[in-house]
Amino acid sequence: NAGVMQNPRHLVRRRGQEARLRCSPMKGHSHVYWYRQLPEEGLKFMVYLQKENIIDESGMPKERFSAEFPKEGPSILRIQQVVRGDSAAYFCASSPVGLVWSHSSTDTQYFGPGTRLTVL
Amino acid sequence: SQQGEEDPQALSIQEGENATMNCSYKTSINNLQWYRQNSGRGLVHLILIRSNEREKHSGRLRVTLDTSKKSSSLLITASRAADTASYFCARTHISGGSNYKLTFGKGTLLTVNP
Repeated sequence: NAGVMQNPRHLVRRRGQEARLRCSPMKGHSHVYWYRQLPEEGLKFMVYLQKENIIDESGMPKERFSAEFPKEGPSILRIQQVVRGDSAAYFCASSPVGLVWSHSSTDTQYFGPGTRLTVL
Repeated sequence: SQQGEEDPQALSIQEGENATMNCSYKTSINNLQWYRQNSGRGLVHLILIRSNEREKHSGRLRVTLDTSKKSSSLLITASRAADTASYFCARTHISGGSNYKLTFGKGTLLTVNP
C-alpha cells in the first residue's frame, strides 16, 4: 500500500509565477490536509478537504492560495503570483475517515514527503 | 494562542543513552501525537496518546501525558545513530471544535553521536 505521494518533490519558481503542488492520498483515504512548514518552524495547518469539498480553509492565506480535491485525481494546492515569502515545505496528509469532533478518536494523519518550494 | 513549546530545542547525546524531549501546550487537548522528521524528509507518525491516557509505549519509545501540567514527554531509550532527527509534538485542541487540525511546535533536533 503506497503511502501519501506528493509531486514534485522540489519546485523552483520565479516571483509572479504560479506553483501547483499535487498530493495523492493513501489508497482508501478520502480526506486530505495541507500544511506549510517555514524554515525552522513547525507545520502550520492550511486546509482540510474531502472529495469535491473544502471543509476548513481557515489556515489558508486569503489571497493567491487555493486548494481542490476533485472527484478524480490528486488534490492540488495552487499558489498564484508567488512571492519569496511563499518559499517553504508544503506537506499533504491523508486519513481514512473524517477526524470530526470526538473525544475518543484515535485516527491520525499520514504525511507525504512534502514539496519544497523555492521562489527566486 | 494554542501554540506550545518543545524543549530542548536541540539535544546531542551518545549512542546508547536515553533521550528525553518535552512538549508543553496552553489549551486543553483531544489527543497529542509525536512525529519524527529526518532532515529534508516528511513526517513519520510515532505514537498517539489520548487526553484520558497517562502513558504509552511503543518499542523503545515511551510517551507520558500530564494534562494538569499541560505537558508531555517522549523518551527514547538506548538511542541509535539512526534516531537522529527532529521530533515534533502535535496536538488537536478541544477549543475550535475539530479533531483534525494538528498544532505543531518547532520541534527538538536530536543528534545521536556514534
